[in-house]
Amino acid sequence: AQSVTQLGSHVSVSEGALVLLRCNYSSSVPPYLFWYVQYPNQGLQLLLKYTTGATLVKGINGFEAEFKKSETSFHLTKPSAHMSDAAEYFCAVTQMNRDDKIIFGKGTRLHILP
Amino acid sequence: DTAVSQTPKYLVTQMGNDKSIKCEQNLGHDTMYWYKQDSKKFLKIMFSYNNKELIINETVPNRFSPKSPDKAHLNLHINSLELGDSAVYFCASSQWTASYGYTFGSGTRLTVV
Repeated sequence: AQSVTQLGSHVSVSEGALVLLRCNYSSSVPPYLFWYVQYPNQGLQLLLKYTTGATLVKGINGFEAEFKKSETSFHLTKPSAHMSDAAEYFCAVTQMNRDDKIIFGKGTRLHILP
Repeated sequence: DTAVSQTPKYLVTQMGNDKSIKCEQNLGHDTMYWYKQDSKKFLKIMFSYNNKELIINETVPNRFSPKSPDKAHLNLHINSLELGDSAVYFCASSQWTASYGYTFGSGTRLTVV
């Protein structure tokens, strides 16, 4: 069975500082990995996804994530935090089957300090 | 044009009532999903349909019944609402399989009083 663990339910960074949100996955088959962002009272928006190929994936709003198979990790980073980045971030995993679904982590709330 | 639209956005109702949430996507996607997000933001899948065929039916009380009249629509009907049904319900769609990623609707906040 697949699963995702996000380390830290809350992360606080200063505006302009590096953002690092940690995600580890468990999968018996090659995974498809995602990061989604949820702003207050909104739906989830896809930030980026890893399918195959290049292990460093660039997404929207300056975010990127690196797939590390040896560490079973898919951490999300952004070089310089902006106040507008404050939101809930979800790491997620699935596989390539018709009857599969995306399994989400429990989320990390990112706080940006002025 | 909203890609995945849900109605209503807010729903407040009394215990024991029956209610429906509607979802429509104009992306031409083949698969649609219902997820429940609880008060701790945990997202759990409930159902998925692929081109009107029920694919995923997680352990959900049978008071919840999905209906997909065509591949662009997936509705959720809930009978005999209970306090524990209070949550945000999200509709999502994907191209064929989940591996393509989801496009989410903006959610329906259901409050049972």
